[in-house]
Amino acid sequence: NAGVTQTPKFQVLKTGQSMTLQCAQDMNHNSMYWYRQDPGMGLRLIYYSASEGTTDKGEVPNGYNVSRLNKREFSLRLESAAPSQTSVYFCASRALAGGLGEQFFGPGTRLTVL
Amino acid sequence: SQQGEEDPQALSIQEGENATMNCSYKTSINNLQWYRQNSGRGLVHLILIRSNEREKHSGRLRVTLDTSKKSSSLLITASRAADTASYFCATDGAGGTSYGKLTFGQGTILTVHP
Repeated sequence: NAGVTQTPKFQVLKTGQSMTLQCAQDMNHNSMYWYRQDPGMGLRLIYYSASEGTTDKGEVPNGYNVSRLNKREFSLRLESAAPSQTSVYFCASRALAGGLGEQFFGPGTRLTVL
Repeated sequence: SQQGEEDPQALSIQEGENATMNCSYKTSINNLQWYRQNSGRGLVHLILIRSNEREKHSGRLRVTLDTSKKSSSLLITASRAADTASYFCATDGAGGTSYGKLTFGQGTILTVHP
C-alpha cells in the first residue's frame, strides 16, 4: 500500500503559468482533500471531494480548480499561477464520506511561483 | 481563518520530560484531532477525541477535551528526541454535512533535546 501519493514533489512556475498537481490514494477512500500550508501556519482547506463525483470549495478556493477523476484520483489545477500561491500543497483522504475518521496525508508538493 | 489557536507556539524540553500543548477553538465540533508533522513531511494522525468524550489515551499520548471552554490539550509523557516535530490540532465541525472538513490550528513546534 503506497497510501496517498502526490506528484510532483517540487515545482517552480513563473507568474501566469498553469499546472496540475496530481494526487492518488490506494486505500479505497471516499473523501479526498486539498490543503495548502504556508510558513508558520496550519493547513487551510482549498477544495474537497466528499465522494466520487462531487467537489466543493473549502476555505481558500480562489485561483484553483479541482477534478475528482475517479475514486482514486483528485487533481488540483492552478490556471494562472500567482506568487501568493507559493506554498506547500497537501492532499489527504479519508475512508468515510461522512462522520468520524482520521485523514491520511500525502508527502506534499512544494510550489514556488516567481 | 484559523479555527484553532495553539499554545505555546514553541516548546523546548529535555528527553524524559512531559510536553503539554493546548488548543482552543471557536465553534461547535463533532470531534477534535491531533496530528504530528515532521520537518518537510506530511501530517500523521495521532488521536481523535469525540465531542462527547472528555479524555482519551493512546500509548504515551493523553488528550483532554473541554467543550464548555472550547479547548483541548495534548500531553506527551516521557518524551523522546524522536518526538521532535510540529503538532497540530484540527477540528471537524458540528453538523452532519461537515464531510470531514478539518480546520487546523497554527501548530506547536516541539523540540526534545537528548
